[in-house]
Parts: sequence; structure tokens; C-alpha cells
Amino acid sequence: GQNIDQPTEMTATEGAIVQINCTYQTSGFNGLFWYQQHAGEAPTFLSYNVLDGLEEKGRFSSFLSRSKGYSYLLLKELQMKDSASYLCAGRNTGGFKTIFGAGTRLFVKA
Amino acid sequence: SQTIHQWPATLVQPVGSPLSLECTVEGTSNPNLYWYRQAAGRGLQLLFYSVGIGQISSEVPQNLSASRPQDRQFILSSKKLLLSDSGFYLCAWSSDTEAFFGQGTRLTVV
Repeated sequence: GQNIDQPTEMTATEGAIVQINCTYQTSGFNGLFWYQQHAGEAPTFLSYNVLDGLEEKGRFSSFLSRSKGYSYLLLKELQMKDSASYLCAGRNTGGFKTIFGAGTRLFVKA
Repeated sequence: SQTIHQWPATLVQPVGSPLSLECTVEGTSNPNLYWYRQAAGRGLQLLFYSVGIGQISSEVPQNLSASRPQDRQFILSSKKLLLSDSGFYLCAWSSDTEAFFGQGTRLTVV
């Protein structure tokens, strides 16, 4: 089976850095996604990791450790518009099933 | 570029009525297609996925069914809606390294 765990909520200050962690247990791992979802909207794709290491895209970076079943999303220079839910999702071998965690609600305060 | 269309955006249906939500993808062939449901304040629950025409895998036994009559068309249906079917329904397609969502359908069963 598959299980994705991430914190329910986090609060951070504008301009700061925040790290959102995700742990997963899956039978046959084939990549991990991060999405951003604003209230009432569909999720938007942020990153995909299948190999160990850090992938950087502007203010957002994503890290994966396959041996530890662990990933994190790093957001730098936080802006108020970054207040959203961040969803971690694991894909299994074969690339067909993608299972989502419950999401982490990030609140950015001034 | 690939686009995904999902309609309607909102829907209010009485208990016991039928349901049909449609999703179409443009700009790609033989996509993996998915239907997810999201309850208020919760993560995404995988309902169905399809790797080709007529090929449907069901993840959660329930009051819903899915069909894929054409390569880039994915339909979610119900013969008789229940109150518990209310939620935010999202269609998605994925490539090897990305996944994109439709705008979502907010279904309220009354």
C-alpha cells in the first residue's frame, strides 16, 4: 500500500524561509510530486523528484531521499501569495497511480 | 502545449439524480488520466485512473463509475447521487515528469 504524511499546518513570516516535510511509504516508488493549491482552486504543479537530491526552481526547491522515504519543499523569500496548501504526492512503479497526502496549509504573515 | 478541460465548474444536484462530468485533454496522445475527489479541507482521494481507451482502474468502491470512450476523453458518472458524493472533483493527466489538473467541478448534492 501507500501512505503519505505531511504536517497539517505551518505558519511563517513574509521574507523568511520555510521547509515543508513529507514522508512516504509505498510499494514500488517511482517519483514524488509537490503541488500548490489555493483555496477553491485546482492544484498547480511545482516539482517532480525521482532521483535523490535537490531540485531548484527559483524560490522553490524540492529534495528527495529515496532511502529514507523523505522529501521536503523549501520556499525562500516568502510572499503573502505563498499562503496556500502544499500537497505531496507519491507515484508508484509503472507510473500510473499517484497518491496524495492531506496537504500542509501554509500561512504567511506580515 | 497540453491543456485539460473539465466541466461544469459548479453543479448542484438533488439526491438520487444522475451525474456526468466530462474531461478532455488536448496536445498529447495516450495520456494517463485520473479522477480525484477532494472533501473540504482535505487531501485528494484517487477515484479512478485510466491508461488507455476502455481501461479503467477503480481505487475506491463507491457510487461512482468512470469511462474512457476516446483517447483524450474521461467521464465520471453516477446513476444515483448520494449526499456523501458532494465534493470537489478534479480530472488530471500525467506525463513521466509532470501532472496537470483541470479546473475542477464543485458538486453539491442536496
